[in-house]
Amino acid sequence: SQTIHQWPATLVQPVGSPLSLECTVEGTSNPNLYWYRQAAGRGLQLLFYSVGIGQISSEVPQNLSASRPQDRQFILSSKKLLLSDSGFYLCAWSVQGAGYTFGSGTRLTVV
Amino acid sequence: QKEVEQNSGPLSVPEGAIASLNCTYSDRGSQSFFWYRQYSGKSPELIMSIYSNGDKEDGRFTAQLNKASQYVSLLIRDSQPSDSATYLCAAGGGADGLTFGKGTHLIIQP
Repeated sequence: SQTIHQWPATLVQPVGSPLSLECTVEGTSNPNLYWYRQAAGRGLQLLFYSVGIGQISSEVPQNLSASRPQDRQFILSSKKLLLSDSGFYLCAWSVQGAGYTFGSGTRLTVV
Repeated sequence: QKEVEQNSGPLSVPEGAIASLNCTYSDRGSQSFFWYRQYSGKSPELIMSIYSNGDKEDGRFTAQLNKASQYVSLLIRDSQPSDSATYLCAAGGGADGLTFGKGTHLIIQP
């Protein structure tokens, strides 16, 4: 069966520090991968998606970036965090437009 | 701009009654529609998907889709306290991700 792993679960980082969040998927090949952010009181916002290794599409211009170095690995990064980057970060995967499955999420607090 | 609109609630329903949740979407090109349940502090969990007009039933859940009206609904029969959560409606169809509503907070009163 397919599983998605996301870590860490919680993170407190100072403003201006770097960020690296990792997501891996097991049990499937060539999934579409997504990074969403859910800020307090707001809906899920699509940040990046990837349909294959090295293929990244950005939905929202910001100081975040994403990379897909392997078929089932998706990484979200930032060189310098802002207070506004706080939120609940969710990785998700899908195959052929079927329902998206989310990881357990990372709650990021920038202080 | 693709949008999905939901009433934020809270929607309060007595235990055992039918809970009715609704959403509308703006992109007529959307082909796939989903309902997710999200407990506080947890990630969303897929509970229903629907792709064609009409009703789709799965246990106590029924999803309804009306593409002409750009309207999606979710009915929860025999509501239980464990159904208390935020329900997210989502629409999409391609590899470029889903558009989510902000969610409806549902409270089932024992």
